[in-house]
Amino acid sequence: ELKVEQNPLFLSMQEGKNYTIYCNYSTTSDRLYWYRQDPGKSLESLFVLLSNGAVKQEGRLMASLDTKARLSTLHITAAVHDLSATYFCAVDTNRDDKIIFGKGTRLHILP
Amino acid sequence: DGGITQSPKYLFRKEGQNVTLSCEQNLNHDAMYWYRQDPGQGLRLIYYSQIVNDFQKGDIAEGYSVSREKKESFPLTVTSAQKNPTAFYLCASSIDQKGLLTYGYTFGSGTRLTVV
Repeated sequence: ELKVEQNPLFLSMQEGKNYTIYCNYSTTSDRLYWYRQDPGKSLESLFVLLSNGAVKQEGRLMASLDTKARLSTLHITAAVHDLSATYFCAVDTNRDDKIIFGKGTRLHILP
Repeated sequence: DGGITQSPKYLFRKEGQNVTLSCEQNLNHDAMYWYRQDPGQGLRLIYYSQIVNDFQKGDIAEGYSVSREKKESFPLTVTSAQKNPTAFYLCASSIDQKGLLTYGYTFGSGTRLTVV
């Protein structure tokens, strides 16, 4: 059974700092997704990573995928308050039309 | 604009009642999903459907039921058998398996269900 673990689960950081959120998963998969959720809101797709070594960047966020290590990272550069949200990674099961979500990382950026 | 519409946004249920959450999409997506989210928790899959008139149980299907009579619609009924239904419910869709690989899910705005 595929398990997805994120760490940290909660992160409080100052504006202007860099930090990385980690997403580990337990079985082979080539496809990983990152989502953002604002409080009380739905999930917004950030990145879709479809192959080993994939790297995608949007603004201050950069995501990468290492399928051999079963690890994805979401790197935040020079954080700003607007990036405060909960970030979820999700992994394709390789079997069904469904993906498994991690518990989310709640990011709080202090002005 | 295409998207997924969930209604109502807020729903209150009395003990012993069944309630139905609506999910409609005009994206022409084949697959639809229902997730439950509890505070501080990730998303847990309740039911999913890959084609009309077919659906599968997810990880926490007990106390819930669904139907998929039309491609556009995937309503979720929370029955009285669900002992702790207070949660945020999210509906999602994907084009098909190939589309899921490329695009992931599109989510609706969610329904917050509270037992009173």
